[in-house]
Amino acid sequence: DAGVTQSPTHLIKTRGQHVTLRCSPISGHKSVSWYQQVLGQGPQFIFQYYEKEERGRGNFPDRFSARQFPNYSSELNVNALLLGDSALYLCASSLGPDNEKLFFGSGTQLSVL
Amino acid sequence: KQEVTQIPAALSVPEGENLVLNCSFTDSAIYNLQWFRQDPGKGLTSLLLIQSSQREQTSGRLNASLDKSSGRSTLYIAASQPGDSATYLCAVPTTGGFKTIFGAGTRLFVKA
Repeated sequence: DAGVTQSPTHLIKTRGQHVTLRCSPISGHKSVSWYQQVLGQGPQFIFQYYEKEERGRGNFPDRFSARQFPNYSSELNVNALLLGDSALYLCASSLGPDNEKLFFGSGTQLSVL
Repeated sequence: KQEVTQIPAALSVPEGENLVLNCSFTDSAIYNLQWFRQDPGKGLTSLLLIQSSQREQTSGRLNASLDKSSGRSTLYIAASQPGDSATYLCAVPTTGGFKTIFGAGTRLFVKA
């Protein structure tokens, strides 16, 4: 069985641009969460989606948005990119929404120039 | 507000040594605790998950313990190998469960 897949693996953008990151969860998993990890720190929670509904949002500006599709895949969108958005963006899937074991993808490394 | 701290931030040991990584959390009302491994620039690989009702979990050379009352977990690695070199992170879900809080990790280097 395939694990969590994320695309693209690397991305270079310039300030002010928009970016879309994609995630496909493990088959059978209905929950997808997004995390941002800056070098040297632990991942920070951005969003969780379960059954296509947003169940939680971290302390991130409205420039960050996400959605989940009927096949449970997900997109993370970031508008008006800032230099500080440069980070590793991680997607995690789990069977259910609460207190479940998390399985992570390999991440998307975003560089904003 | 849940906070997770990992000590030490970095550790360098010779091959073959047994070692302990520490994780502490401020809110003891946790549902579970998960340990992850992360190689540079890569995603997180789940190592062990301990439910709040458990005291220990073992997988091969890894053993994780949980003491909820003191807000601590340890990850014990036996007979360390150079391939164990990575960053190890612990994480706990917040009350409500949809958000997981991570420590900053312990960067481990095992010298051959």
